Amino acid sequence: DVKVTQSSRYLVKRTGEKVFLECVQDMDHENMFWYRQDPGLGLRLIYFSYDVKMKEKGDIPEGYSVSREKKERFSLILESASTNQTSMYLCASSSGQGPYSGNTIYFGEGSWLTVV
Amino acid sequence: RKEVEQDPGPFNVPEGATVAFNCTYSNSASQSFFWYRQDCRKEPKLLMSVYSSGNEDGRFTAQLNRASQYISLLIRDSKLSDSATYLCVVNPLTGGGNKLTFGTGTQLKVEL
Repeated sequence: DVKVTQSSRYLVKRTGEKVFLECVQDMDHENMFWYRQDPGLGLRLIYFSYDVKMKEKGDIPEGYSVSREKKERFSLILESASTNQTSMYLCASSSGQGPYSGNTIYFGEGSWLTVV
Repeated sequence: RKEVEQDPGPFNVPEGATVAFNCTYSNSASQSFFWYRQDCRKEPKLLMSVYSSGNEDGRFTAQLNRASQYISLLIRDSKLSDSATYLCVVNPLTGGGNKLTFGTGTQLKVEL
């Protein structure tokens, strides 16, 4: 089975803190993604990557950055957390070369971040 | 118009009922379509892919109508365990990296 692991499940951070959310997948997938999910808004793509050291902005990249130094690991960074970044963050991965592979996307269990 | 639109529900149905959800998408060039299931406070999980010819998996049937740009999910003989939010997912081909667009979900509540 595909395993996408988000190491931090529940976090409470203060406004202005730097926050790291780590994600590891064990299926050698090329593509990795970070989403946030909020009530009524659904899943929104923050950033994605389809190769090591490569990143692309999603729909809501402002206030976030990412890092992909190894194929299996994709990190989301909040440089200076704000209260409007309180949300559930979902990491995901999928296989397939190129942008139009259309392969199944697998999610981690989610990280619940509260910024106070 | 949203790229992917779903009726949020909730759909409250008795156990054993048949229920259907539709989802419309705006980009006619979209190639890949999926239904995901999400339980409360859990991650989304793939329920089934949707193929042009339609496909069935047990009590679940998915259909694609390209002309009208919608996909549907039919659940027969509903079980209590089917209670969840069902997400419609489309690959709109407007970006790279297998970038999928998610609907906001339709909530299903199956009751005794």
